[in-house]
Amino acid sequence: AQSVAQPEDQVNVAEGNPLTVKCTYSVSGNPYLFWYVQYPNRGLQFLLKYITGDNLVKGSYGFEAEFNKSQTSFHLKKPSALVSDSALYFCAVRARRRDTGRRALTFGSGTRLQVQP
Amino acid sequence: EAGVTQFPSHSVIEKGQTVTLRCDPISGHDNLYWYRRVMGKEIKFLLHFVKESKQDESGMPNNRFLAERTGGTYSTLKVQPAELEDSGVYFCASSQGFLGAGDEQFFGPGTRLTVL
Repeated sequence: AQSVAQPEDQVNVAEGNPLTVKCTYSVSGNPYLFWYVQYPNRGLQFLLKYITGDNLVKGSYGFEAEFNKSQTSFHLKKPSALVSDSALYFCAVRARRRDTGRRALTFGSGTRLQVQP
Repeated sequence: EAGVTQFPSHSVIEKGQTVTLRCDPISGHDNLYWYRRVMGKEIKFLLHFVKESKQDESGMPNNRFLAERTGGTYSTLKVQPAELEDSGVYFCASSQGFLGAGDEQFFGPGTRLTVL
């Protein structure tokens, strides 16, 4: 069974400081990994994904994430946080196996990022 | 290009009543998914359509939930009769379905359902 853990319910960071939102996963075989963001009263917006290749993935709004296979992690990072980055962030995983046919994403419980001015 | 749309944005009903949620996917997307987030917990998968066919119903909680996608376009999710534990935010997503590209899913704004 697939699972995603986001160990922090909330992350607080000062504007201009680097931020990290943690995510670890469990899946059979190789994963597809995703980060989504939800701003207040909005739907989920895609930030970035890892499919294959470079372990460091760059996405929207200056975010990036590092895939670490040995630690089964996919932490979201940004070098310099903005107040406007304050939102709810979700990590998700899907198995890459072609034979499963299962495309459903398994999400973590979300991490609320609060960036203080 | 229009994104995934959902209607209504909010619904408040009493226990025992029926509610129908609607999702319009991005035009041309064969894959349509329903997810639910209950009580601030993780977003959980409900089911997946490929065109008009149900590909995966493994997340449907019970037979009070009925999903349809007639003609392979929009989808409806009916809850009948609604129970208190059905309260939450129901998300719809769609994708083109290219497995090799990671098949990015595009989400709608969600329908917030409150059962009193």
